[in-house]
Amino acid sequence: AQSVTQPDIHITVSEGASLELRCNYSYGATPYLFWYVQSPGQGLQLLLKYFSGDTLVQGIKGFEAEFKRSQSSFNLRKPSVHWSDAAEYFCAVGNQAGTALIFGKGTTLSVSS
Amino acid sequence: DVKVTQSSRYLVKRTGEKVFLECVQDMDHENMFWYRQDPGLGLRLIYFSYDVKMKEKGDIPEGYSVSREKKERFSLILESASTNQTSMYLCASSPPGGAYEQYFGPGTRLTVT
Repeated sequence: AQSVTQPDIHITVSEGASLELRCNYSYGATPYLFWYVQSPGQGLQLLLKYFSGDTLVQGIKGFEAEFKRSQSSFNLRKPSVHWSDAAEYFCAVGNQAGTALIFGKGTTLSVSS
Repeated sequence: DVKVTQSSRYLVKRTGEKVFLECVQDMDHENMFWYRQDPGLGLRLIYFSYDVKMKEKGDIPEGYSVSREKKERFSLILESASTNQTSMYLCASSPPGGAYEQYFGPGTRLTVT
């Protein structure tokens, strides 16, 4: 069965510091992988996605993620965090039919000054 | 600009009431989804629809039903609301196929008292 694990429930990072949010997935075929961000009281916004090709994908707001098949991981990174990045981040894996996304339980990012 | 709208941002209902949550998308998407979001549990799929009048159960369909009479509109129905259905409800839509991300509405925070 498909599953997604985000090991960190809550992370605090200093403004200007680098960020890495971890995501591990379980999926029998080639996964379709997504990172979404949710600001307080808002819906989810897509940061980036991976389907095939280059394993390092660039997204919006300066985020990037690297797909590592051998580690079943799709970690999200940002070189320098801004206070406005404080939000909840969700990793998700989708099937080829596009009929569902399986979400991780989310990682809450706090940014300290 | 793509848009998914939900009829209410906040809703308070009494136990036993019939509750309708409406979702409308303006992107002519075939797929539409209803998720429930709870702290520490992430997003869980309730139902999805891949065409008008078509629906499939997700992971937690108990206590819910759905209706899709028009392509742009997908309704979630709580036949008899219970306190354990207090939650954030998110609607999403996407084109068919796994290569496309889901677009989310802002959510409806439902409280059942």
